[in-house]
Amino acid sequence: EVQLLESGGGLVQPGGSLRLSCAASGFTFSSYAMSWVRQAPGKGLEWVSSISGSGGSTYYADSVKGRLTISRDNSKNTLYLQMNSLRAEDTAGYYCAKVGVRGVIEAEFDYWGQGTLVTVSS
Amino acid sequence: QAVLTQPSSLSASPGASASLTCTLRSGINVGTYRIYWYQQKPGSPPQYLLRYKSDSDKQQGSGVPSRFSGSKDDSANAGILLISGLQSEDEADYYCMIWHSSAWVFGGGTKLTVL
Repeated sequence: EVQLLESGGGLVQPGGSLRLSCAASGFTFSSYAMSWVRQAPGKGLEWVSSISGSGGSTYYADSVKGRLTISRDNSKNTLYLQMNSLRAEDTAGYYCAKVGVRGVIEAEFDYWGQGTLVTVSS
Repeated sequence: QAVLTQPSSLSASPGASASLTCTLRSGINVGTYRIYWYQQKPGSPPQYLLRYKSDSDKQQGSGVPSRFSGSKDDSANAGILLISGLQSEDEADYYCMIWHSSAWVFGGGTKLTVL
């Protein structure tokens, strides 16, 4: 059974940093691209970033480029999102999602975690 | 102008059909994109429903009922999620998504009310 468990969310001041983690199990982690998607309270979904299975290719939304960094440790079956220079508009629930097709970036997000909440406020 | 535009809300009666549209920005041709659809219920993460590009390039999500289907309206430059035989459990937010210029783009979502 595929499981994705996010952690690391919390309250942080504007300009601060946070690192989110997503522990994966139930599939061959290194074979699948992964993504982060966020959702501000009461708002719609916003894609944040994606990373290939090897970690060699990364993609970012313009709104986070240069501030948020996606990475993965395939030996630990864990996806990360390093969040720096945080702003109030980064306040959201952050979901990690698994891509549904081995070896590609462009495919459906077939499994999602339950999300972790990041609140940026003074 | 947003890349993907969805109506913010839609209401339909139980047993009826609902057609949810996802309109691509002018200059972005719907015929060249796979459109992915997700359902999200309050307090839960999104769930993948299906993908549609053409009748020969489509995929139903695992366990997704055949009441959910995809299509396109080329004249409107839009993707369509059709839900037939509406049930109360279909009440949810629905999002479309495409891969555009090396980035994923979501539509703003449609809140479907079944009443």
